[in-house]
Amino acid sequence: RKEVEQDPGPFNVPEGATVAFNCTYSNSASQSFFWYRQDCRKEPKLLMSVYSSGNEDGRFTAQLNRASQYISLLIRDSKLSDSATYLCAPNTGNQFYFGTGTSLTVIP
Amino acid sequence: ETGVTQSPTHLIKTRGQQVTLRCSSQSGHNTVSWYQQALGQGPQFIFQYYREEENGRGNFPPRFSGLQFPNYSSELNVNALELDDSALYLCALWTGLSGYTFGSGTRLTVV
Repeated sequence: RKEVEQDPGPFNVPEGATVAFNCTYSNSASQSFFWYRQDCRKEPKLLMSVYSSGNEDGRFTAQLNRASQYISLLIRDSKLSDSATYLCAPNTGNQFYFGTGTSLTVIP
Repeated sequence: ETGVTQSPTHLIKTRGQQVTLRCSSQSGHNTVSWYQQALGQGPQFIFQYYREEENGRGNFPPRFSGLQFPNYSSELNVNALELDDSALYLCALWTGLSGYTFGSGTRLTVV
């Protein structure tokens, strides 16, 4: 089983839509979780960190389900600038194992 | 501007050659990780250094090696390059609650 699994997509959604991505992880020792966004041919940049059951930052909400070992990212009111690849990273001993990422394209 | 500098930005090498990639930051971070990202894939963990010692390694062969210096700058060395080593190599510094901050990467092409 892979350390981290994400639906690669692509997700193509219209502006203003709500979209959700899921990420499952195999290591139950993971204590904290991070979502990164990565634009084409650029480095990943931190979007959100999750240390408890969830976190919310504006249009972005992350929810953690430790029992089922998955974490989700919800984006409300999608903007064109949200088009990117979203990477999930559970943190185990400060070592991140990333998923393949989920590709999102927001369409005008 | 992430404050994490990687050099070079691009590199072309021939199969069988050796390469050294470098990473530094404006402020000292004692934990650095290196990742390999092939096209269309997520970053794959190569190894991590903490206070000049390797303290974690992903599923990469021994020809991938590293160093961390007293000033916390770091190197990734790859020997006997193979075509499949062509990828974006990312250095990431641990910043605590904000997770890892990545450099802009070195794009390596092996021909």
